Amino acid sequence: DVKVTQSSRYLVKRTGEKVFLECVQDMDHENMFWYRQDPGLGLRLIYFSYDVKMKEKGDIPEGYSVSREKKERFSLILESASTNQTSMYLCASSDNSAKPQHFGDGTRLSIL
Amino acid sequence: AQKITQTQPGMFVQEKEAVTLDCTYDTSDQSYGLFWYKQPSSGEMIFLIYQGSYDEQNATEGRYSLNFQKARKSANLVISASQLGDSAMYFCAMSSNFGNEKLTFGTGTRLTIIP
Repeated sequence: DVKVTQSSRYLVKRTGEKVFLECVQDMDHENMFWYRQDPGLGLRLIYFSYDVKMKEKGDIPEGYSVSREKKERFSLILESASTNQTSMYLCASSDNSAKPQHFGDGTRLSIL
Repeated sequence: AQKITQTQPGMFVQEKEAVTLDCTYDTSDQSYGLFWYKQPSSGEMIFLIYQGSYDEQNATEGRYSLNFQKARKSANLVISASQLGDSAMYFCAMSSNFGNEKLTFGTGTRLTIIP
């Protein structure tokens, strides 16, 4: 089974801090994604990556950056956290075929 | 741009009844994939079923089936014989190129099964 692991289930940080959310997948998938989930808005794509060192902006990239130095790891970075970035963050991965994305368990991030 | 619309924010269904969750989509792509995911209160996203835009048969996976009506741009999820464990948020999503690209999600439907 595909395993997508997010480093933390719950995280509390302060405004202005630099925050790192880590995601690791164990199935050699080419594609990795970061979404945020907010009530009434569903999941929205922040950034995605089709290959190592490659990244593309999603629908809501402002305030975020990403890093993919190794194929199995995709990091989401909040350069200077703000309260409006309090949310549930979900990482996903997929290969290049008509198969579904596999999701991690999510990180509930609170910015105080 | 792709858009997914789920018009039912919440639904209550008696146990053992069938339930239909609505999903309509909008896209200018000729090739696309449609997905349904389940999210229990614990938070993980569980893949349920997939339909490709050129698939002639409606997809089925156990108690789940996808009622795909291409002309109407709808992809409703049908759960037969509902169980208490079906209580969760359900998200409809789509992608270009049959599913190997980013997903666009709807806002979800919260399904509650009543004993």
